[in-house]
Amino acid sequence: AIQMTQSPSSLSASVGDRVSITCRASQFIRNDLGWFQQKPGKAPKLLIYAASSLQSGVPSRFSGSGSGTDFTLTISSLQSEDFATYYCLQDYGYPRTFGQGTKVEIK
Amino acid sequence: EVHLVESGGGLVKPGGSLRLSCAASGFTFSRYSMNWVRQAPGKGLDWVSLISSTSKYIYYADSVKGRFTISRDNAKNSLYLQMNSLRAEDTGVYFCTRDDVVAASDYWGKGVLVTVSS
Repeated sequence: AIQMTQSPSSLSASVGDRVSITCRASQFIRNDLGWFQQKPGKAPKLLIYAASSLQSGVPSRFSGSGSGTDFTLTISSLQSEDFATYYCLQDYGYPRTFGQGTKVEIK
Repeated sequence: EVHLVESGGGLVKPGGSLRLSCAASGFTFSRYSMNWVRQAPGKGLDWVSLISSTSKYIYYADSVKGRFTISRDNAKNSLYLQMNSLRAEDTGVYFCTRDDVVAASDYWGKGVLVTVSS
């Protein structure tokens, strides 16, 4: 199975900060990667698909980059509603696999 | 508007069985692949299974292969997960998700809780 290594596992940041989260795949996955945001007690929400395409309705401060094995989710200016846990998901091969998650907390 | 509503969760003893359902609305269900994704309490997301639009292609996580069966009824706009030989480690919230052509799991249900305990 393709392993997705996500880092960091947690980070503390302030409103207005630029934040980056990375996912590294154990093998080539083209650009078949999505990023999700999950708030406590809620279902995850798709932010980015195909590594860099912004899902409809998602604020433009969210962006994704990368291809092959290395991917990054960037939040250009962190807002209070962005404090949540973020996951990457590879859909290149089966079984699909998620990263371990990154919890973004208030500094 | 896309809606996915899971049901069928509950408390079951180890070794027992449970059948989850997901009712879909707001889109042409028969055109989309569907998934089950689960989340153990306090843990990360764990992909479980996918079924293609016509049920031609089915995939499972290794951890559930041989114990879980995914199925769908396009006439009823419904997705199912038959879970047998349940273990404590199967405990968690189970989400039904839709795959768009270009985006995996673009819509999620609210989830249903499955607890496996004696």
